[in-house]
Amino acid sequence: EADIYQTPRYLVIGTGKKITLECSQTMGHDKMYWYQQDPGMELHLIHYSYGVNSTEKGDLSSESTVSRIRTEHFPLTLESARPSHTSQYLCASSRGLALHFGNGTRLTVT
Amino acid sequence: AQSVTQLDSQVPVFEEAPVELRCNYSSSVSVYLFWYVQYPNQGLQLLLKYLSGSTLVKGINGFEAEFNKSQTSFHLRKPSVHISDTAEYFCAVTSAGTGNQFYFGTGTSLTVIP
Repeated sequence: EADIYQTPRYLVIGTGKKITLECSQTMGHDKMYWYQQDPGMELHLIHYSYGVNSTEKGDLSSESTVSRIRTEHFPLTLESARPSHTSQYLCASSRGLALHFGNGTRLTVT
Repeated sequence: AQSVTQLDSQVPVFEEAPVELRCNYSSSVSVYLFWYVQYPNQGLQLLLKYLSGSTLVKGINGFEAEFNKSQTSFHLRKPSVHISDTAEYFCAVTSAGTGNQFYFGTGTSLTVIP
């Protein structure tokens, strides 16, 4: 079973703050992903990476940015948080065809 | 383009009764299909997957699913549910043609009633 860690689990911040959601995996997976999850909606892919120094935007437009300097680390940054960013953010990794997910970060922007 | 439709947003079922969670997909190419389960305040966990071969796939926790190419379906079944099966279930599809990007359904909330 893949080990993938997300911090923080819960975050409440004010509008305009800069935040970084952390995601790390210990399995050496090349592919990593960020999904946004809202109640009653499908998971939306917002960013993905196929390896170090590789990042792409997903299907859902997002004001966030990501970086992939190390294989195990794939942080997501919001330069200026807004209430519309309130959501659950799920990080995942894969080597083959199955995704392995972290426990998520639930973000609330007030 | 690929998409996944989960026909039931909520499914209540009594303990020890059978359950079927429905999933249909749309794709013009060969696909790989998955069911994930999400317990409260957790991420998604892989239940089972269909890549090729036998159309009946067995997964963890007594779940199984059947791939039906003609009906473009991948329904999830369990013959006897437990209270601990209460969770959100997501169907997902991917294919080589999409660069292995995954497309998820909107989820089915299974509630097992004692």
